[in-house]
Amino acid sequence: KNEVEQSPQNLTAQEGEFITINCSYSVGISALHWLQQHPGGGIVSLFMLSSGKKKHGRLIATINIQEKHSSLHITASHPRDSAVYICAVRSETSGSRLTFGEGTQLTVNP
Amino acid sequence: KAGVTQTPRYLIKTRGQQVTLSCSPISGHRSVSWYQQTPGQGLQFLFEYFSETQRNKGNFPGRFSGRQFSNSRSEMNVSTLELGDSALYLCASRRGSTLEQYFGPGTRLTVT
Repeated sequence: KNEVEQSPQNLTAQEGEFITINCSYSVGISALHWLQQHPGGGIVSLFMLSSGKKKHGRLIATINIQEKHSSLHITASHPRDSAVYICAVRSETSGSRLTFGEGTQLTVNP
Repeated sequence: KAGVTQTPRYLIKTRGQQVTLSCSPISGHRSVSWYQQTPGQGLQFLFEYFSETQRNKGNFPGRFSGRQFSNSRSEMNVSTLELGDSALYLCASRRGSTLEQYFGPGTRLTVT
């Protein structure tokens, strides 16, 4: 079992829909990151969380440390949100090392 | 402020050759991490350098090595290339006092 599991692997939505991507992890962590990767490879860091909830524009990220679970929500989705979303954790014992989920391919159709 | 830059962006090499990739971090950032991304294994941590010292290393063979210079620029080297080394190699920098990382655009390496 991978240390970081994401679901779903693929997600297709219509423009305007509310989207949720889930991330579960099995180790104690010092931080969890949500990353966005567009075709071509560039990665953008969306959020870094160690507790609670963060919001940036239409994106919201939450984390439940006790349940070892995080969610990324996109409100009023738009075709430009189409990308791969990757969850990554920094474990308490691994220092600076990130362990990544397999990613969720999101396609938002107009 | 300029972002993280990586050179070259694309590279084609032959099995058995060696390759050196370069990463220039954001000004003021002293930590550089390297990652490999392949369709089969996803993103995997290679190593991190901070102030010219390797601080952490992933589970890769000794053919993968790196270094960091006094200006925080970093290079990674892969010797005796194998077909399986074909991947997108990403570097990311951070200030050192925070955990927030900023990624470069990556170098796409193809080994034939």
